Amino acid sequence: SAVISQKPSRDICQRGTSLTIQCQVDSQVTMMFWYRQQPGQSLTLIATANQGSEATYESGFVIDKFPISRPNLTFSTLTVSNMSPEDSSIYLCSWVRGAERETQYFGPGTRLLVL
Amino acid sequence: DQQVKQNSPSLSVQEGRISILNCDYTNSMFDYFLWYKKYPAEGPTFLISISSIKDKNEDGRFTVFLNKSAKHLSLHIVPSQPGDSAVYFCAASATPITPLVFGKGTRLSVIA
Repeated sequence: SAVISQKPSRDICQRGTSLTIQCQVDSQVTMMFWYRQQPGQSLTLIATANQGSEATYESGFVIDKFPISRPNLTFSTLTVSNMSPEDSSIYLCSWVRGAERETQYFGPGTRLLVL
Repeated sequence: DQQVKQNSPSLSVQEGRISILNCDYTNSMFDYFLWYKKYPAEGPTFLISISSIKDKNEDGRFTVFLNKSAKHLSLHIVPSQPGDSAVYFCAASATPITPLVFGKGTRLSVIA
């Protein structure tokens, strides 16, 4: 599988600030996703990061709150904007190399605590 | 409304015995099911999958069973080993390329 780095691995932030999470994969992948796992909850898809175009957001998530970039086939960022304590979660980068779901991989996640 | 449900948040099993993790779903459009395993401070790792054309898929010690009429699947681990201790997530999608919907996970502890 591809090697992935996700930065930062964890952070503690103040209410009202923004944090940008970076995801770097060591080889080109076709699809990249961003998930969130709130405490005691399941992994929830935030958006699909499309290379060279705007991300596709799932119901309940908007671009103003979670702007996403994907400038090339190996890199993506997720920004959590104007944070509140409800944004405290683990944020996970995920990607698919080919067409089959078996090849969907996940990064180690970013553990975010908002005070 | 949770479309994928893992009703047991935790499970404890003796080493060498069988571990059975259960998952129920409500969306009849789901046609493709996966299990992921997650260790602390790591991302989920794909374990095994099954599509609706099968009712069983086996990979070594891991077997997944699907009962479409009951909208239920289960993961069997035989024999269980201490290294299997992790959180197991059930996930489903309508096709292999649509976004996965995850359950909340079951924490498995295998006791030596």
